[in-house]
Amino acid sequence: NAGVTQTPKFRVLKTGQSMTLLCAQDMNHEYMYWYRQDPGMGLRLIHYSVGEGTTAKGEVPDGYNVSRLKKQNFLLGLESAAPSQTSVYFCASSYPPRLAPYTGELFFGEGSRLTVL
Amino acid sequence: GENVEQHPSTLSVQEGDSAVIKCTYSDSASNYFPWYKQELGKRPQLIIDIRSNVGEKKDQRIAVTLNKTAKHFSLHITETQPEDSAVYFCAATRRGSTLGRLYFGRGTQLTVWP
Repeated sequence: NAGVTQTPKFRVLKTGQSMTLLCAQDMNHEYMYWYRQDPGMGLRLIHYSVGEGTTAKGEVPDGYNVSRLKKQNFLLGLESAAPSQTSVYFCASSYPPRLAPYTGELFFGEGSRLTVL
Repeated sequence: GENVEQHPSTLSVQEGDSAVIKCTYSDSASNYFPWYKQELGKRPQLIIDIRSNVGEKKDQRIAVTLNKTAKHFSLHITETQPEDSAVYFCAATRRGSTLGRLYFGRGTQLTVWP
């Protein structure tokens, strides 16, 4: 049982390049999230998904796109990377609140450190 | 939406002392308040949570208290140890809503000196 797995773990990009971060979970969670973490800013929600085929914007969605074609995967894309997107990105998943054994707990991946030069 | 404020942003204590981190929230409908611990270079992990129908919850050396009237909740760590050094995040949400998303505070860097 791997939990939440993110790839890649590290990446360096040049301004204007594109890339995709992949998140995979094996806990059959319906909800999945992408957060970015910057010093002193906490965890800010970029996009989230409440089920296969659905996505929604979070607090800081600009410059990012997401897709949830399969329940277990949630992809985060940067079409044209900017230095302001240098950050550590965390994927997380959870059960929906209407279903047991929902505890409200988010299960996080190990993080992906992205540097944009 | 919900707004969660967390204080202090940094906290240093001597081993064996107590540490207290405080959070306030704005949405009176929020009813679930988890705390996450993130060790250096690691992922955040849930350490304790509290629901709005409870005023206090303890788990060994950690406890959370909730004051719904004042809309604030706190994390208390007693007999601190060096391994308690980490960033702690509070969060709030409406458990049972269709959204289920958490609103996080900005975090508190706790350092426990031996």
